[in-house]
Amino acid sequence: QVQLVESGGGVVQPGGSLRLSCAASGFTFSNYGMHWVRQAPGKGLEWVTFTRYDGSTKYYVDSVKGRFTISRDNSKNTLYLQMNTLRAEDTAVYYCVKDVAWAFDVWGQGTVVTVSS
Amino acid sequence: QTVVTQEPSFSVSPGGTVTLTCGLSSGSVSTSYYPSWYQQTPGQAPRTLIYTTTTRSSGVPDRFSGSILGNKAALTITGAQADDECDYYCVLYMGRGTWVFGGGTKLTVL
Repeated sequence: QVQLVESGGGVVQPGGSLRLSCAASGFTFSNYGMHWVRQAPGKGLEWVTFTRYDGSTKYYVDSVKGRFTISRDNSKNTLYLQMNTLRAEDTAVYYCVKDVAWAFDVWGQGTVVTVSS
Repeated sequence: QTVVTQEPSFSVSPGGTVTLTCGLSSGSVSTSYYPSWYQQTPGQAPRTLIYTTTTRSSGVPDRFSGSILGNKAALTITGAQADDECDYYCVLYMGRGTWVFGGGTKLTVL
């Protein structure tokens, strides 16, 4: 079955960096676009970034442009999110999500990122 | 900046039917926005219910259906059950590689 497993979350100081990973299995990873979606504590969901199946095109929400970078290694069936210059408002659960027809299909269980001094 | 709107809360009786909506602060929702719907129980990852307006995700019962009603996207739940009580989110694809979530609707079944 399709499975997405995130890792790499943790506690980081403001201005710090963190790299999230998402291991995919159960489907042909290299055929699908992938997203990261986040949810701040007690808040709603927010789309963060998307990469096409081949990594050729990437999109970001305005609040993370220039700080976050999405990438993928199709040979390893893994999606990444490099997060730099982290702010308190980046504190959230980060979900890795498989794309389907301009929407979100299968979700990982999420990894928690806390930005705090 | 366009905001995606949802009812903050809604209640339905067990066995009843409820329709949640997803609109725009400016303009009408059409199929061109590829509306989709997600269900989330507290502490859990979201679950995909509907995408491309009307397509049910794998394993989703046909009690859940999507449509366009007037100028909004809609999620209708028929035969509401106790475990339908949770948060529901819609998403619209705004074009140019941007997806926007609505604020979510907290559904109570009582």
